[in-house]
Amino acid sequence: NAGVTQTPKFRILKIGQSMTLQCTQDMNHNYMYWYRQDPGMGLKLIYYSVGAGITDKGEVPNGYNVSRSTTEDFPLRLELAAPSQTSVYFCASSYGTSVYEQYFGPGTRLTVT
Amino acid sequence: EDKVVQSPLSLVVHEGDTVTLNCSYEVTNFRSLLWYKQEKKAPTFLFMLTSSGIEKKSGRLSSILDKKELFSILNITATQTGDSAVYLCAVTSGTYKYIFGTGTRLKV
Repeated sequence: NAGVTQTPKFRILKIGQSMTLQCTQDMNHNYMYWYRQDPGMGLKLIYYSVGAGITDKGEVPNGYNVSRSTTEDFPLRLELAAPSQTSVYFCASSYGTSVYEQYFGPGTRLTVT
Repeated sequence: EDKVVQSPLSLVVHEGDTVTLNCSYEVTNFRSLLWYKQEKKAPTFLFMLTSSGIEKKSGRLSSILDKKELFSILNITATQTGDSAVYLCAVTSGTYKYIFGTGTRLKV
């Protein structure tokens, strides 16, 4: 099992560019999440999904979009990148929610200049 | 507003010391409290606590939850350099919400 994988590991974007962060899990988890982690801060939820075709906003969704066409994949799209989106992005998945641990991917470090 | 507060923000100890990390919370519809260890990359799961007063143990690490006073502690005994990391506390509320604290940075 690879667990949760994310690509790319690092990326530098110019202001106004767009990109997609990829996330794949091979544990057949229904629940998937995208977080951002700013220096010295906790993880903030951007979007989550409870299954293929179902997504919803978290705490900080502005500037991002997601889709979930399969159980395995949960890509995060950044449109019109801004310096405020400079952060480390983590994808996570869980078998269930509330009383299940989340498994995290290795993260994508994004810099917008 | 739901919140999770961890203390201290950071600490430095010597090898062999015992440390106690704190996590207090105010959330509606509490379901569970989780501890994670974050080294350079992704958080890795340590413990999940749902009931008061029941200690969870794994080697030199242990944790307990007090649902009346709304806090949890994570103890690490006989610390080693490999324990150096950021320790994150998260509380689940409702059906999908995992609320994370800012973490405690431990240096051994």
